[in-house]
Amino acid sequence: EVQLVESGGGLVQPGRSLRLSCAASGFTFDDYGMHWVRQAPGKGLEWVSGITWNSGSIGYADSVKGRFTISRDNAKNSLYLQMNSLRAEDTALYYCAKDKRDLIVGAIGDAFDIWGQGTMVTVSS
Amino acid sequence: DIQMTQSPSSLSASVGDRVTITCRASQGFNNYLAWYQQKPGKVPKLLIYAATTLQSGVPSRFSGTGSGTDFTLTISSLQPEDVATYYCQKYNSAPLTFGGGTKVEIK
Repeated sequence: EVQLVESGGGLVQPGRSLRLSCAASGFTFDDYGMHWVRQAPGKGLEWVSGITWNSGSIGYADSVKGRFTISRDNAKNSLYLQMNSLRAEDTALYYCAKDKRDLIVGAIGDAFDIWGQGTMVTVSS
Repeated sequence: DIQMTQSPSSLSASVGDRVTITCRASQGFNNYLAWYQQKPGKVPKLLIYAATTLQSGVPSRFSGTGSGTDFTLTISSLQPEDVATYYCQKYNSAPLTFGGGTKVEIK
């Protein structure tokens, strides 16, 4: 079964850091681009960051650029999001999601065909 | 960056009605446009990709049309299980922007 399982969320004070992880199984992880998408309570979906299958291209939303870093470890079938200088407006459910097409070259992104259940991040003093 | 504007933001229709949701891009792009369904408390689900291609397992009452700047999602005969919020997303290049969502309810 194709599965994505996020972890690492929690309550954190403004200005502090948090690292999210996404464990993938049931597919050839290193063939697919991966993404983080967040959803603030009662709000819509916001793409946060994406990384191609070979880490050759990486992109960020303007709202997190310079503060968040996406990475992946294909040997561990894992995706990560290092979040620094957290703000109250970063409070959201963070999903990881998988590209539908494999081995996309030269561009970030595809439709997202598999999503994890999400991990909640709350930034509050 | 290209902005994606969905309309309406919410709608209420009767079972069996034809429902149309529009997504408009601030600039034209190729057909790298997806539609997702998110039921209350659930994870988003891919319905349509490449603007018009139905994802495997999605009922045929869902369809997508459009190109350039204007895209639509149509539910040909609304069912009770279609109550959800629907999002469009462009994925031609970063940022992979979502529309603001359309909440669909049963009248």
